[in-house]
Amino acid sequence: SQTIHQWPATLVQPVGSPLSLECTVEGTSNPNLYWYRQAAGRGLQLLFYSVGIGQISSEVPQNLSASRPQDRQFILSSKKLLLSDSGFYLCAWSGQGYADTQYFGPGTRLTVL
Amino acid sequence: QKEVEQDPGPLSVPEGAIVSLNCTYSNSAFQYFMWYRQYSRKGPELLMYTYSSGNKEDGRFTAQVDKSSKYISLFIRDSQPSDSATYLCAMSIGNTPLVFGKGTRLSVIA
Repeated sequence: SQTIHQWPATLVQPVGSPLSLECTVEGTSNPNLYWYRQAAGRGLQLLFYSVGIGQISSEVPQNLSASRPQDRQFILSSKKLLLSDSGFYLCAWSGQGYADTQYFGPGTRLTVL
Repeated sequence: QKEVEQDPGPLSVPEGAIVSLNCTYSNSAFQYFMWYRQYSRKGPELLMYTYSSGNKEDGRFTAQVDKSSKYISLFIRDSQPSDSATYLCAMSIGNTPLVFGKGTRLSVIA
């Protein structure tokens, strides 16, 4: 069966510090991968998605970036965090078709102080 | 007009009630419809998936799609306190990522 992991589970970072969140998927090959942010009281905001290694599409221009160095690994990064980057970050995977159901990881709660 | 509209609630019902959760959408090209349940501080989990108009039942849950009215619903029968969560609708035209509603927060009171 497929499993999706995210770490760390929680993170408290000062403004201006760098960020690296990691997501890995087990039990499937060549998945579509997604990064979402969910701010308090708001819906899911799609940040990035990837259909393959090195292929990243950005949905929202901001100080975040994403990389996919391996087939089942997706990394979200920032060089300098802003207060507005606080939120709940979710990684998800789906099969090759966009209409395929997405399966979410447990999330990382980021607080920027 | 947003692509997907969902009343954020909160919705509070007594245990055993029938719950109706709804989403409307503006893009008639949407073909695939899903409902996710999200407990506090957890990732969303898939509840229901359908790609046609009509009803789909799974235990206490029924998903309903009315493409002519651009309206989808999730019904929960015999609601339980464990159903207390945020419910998100999601939809896709098939060649782009899912579009999510903002979620409806449900509380089932024992």
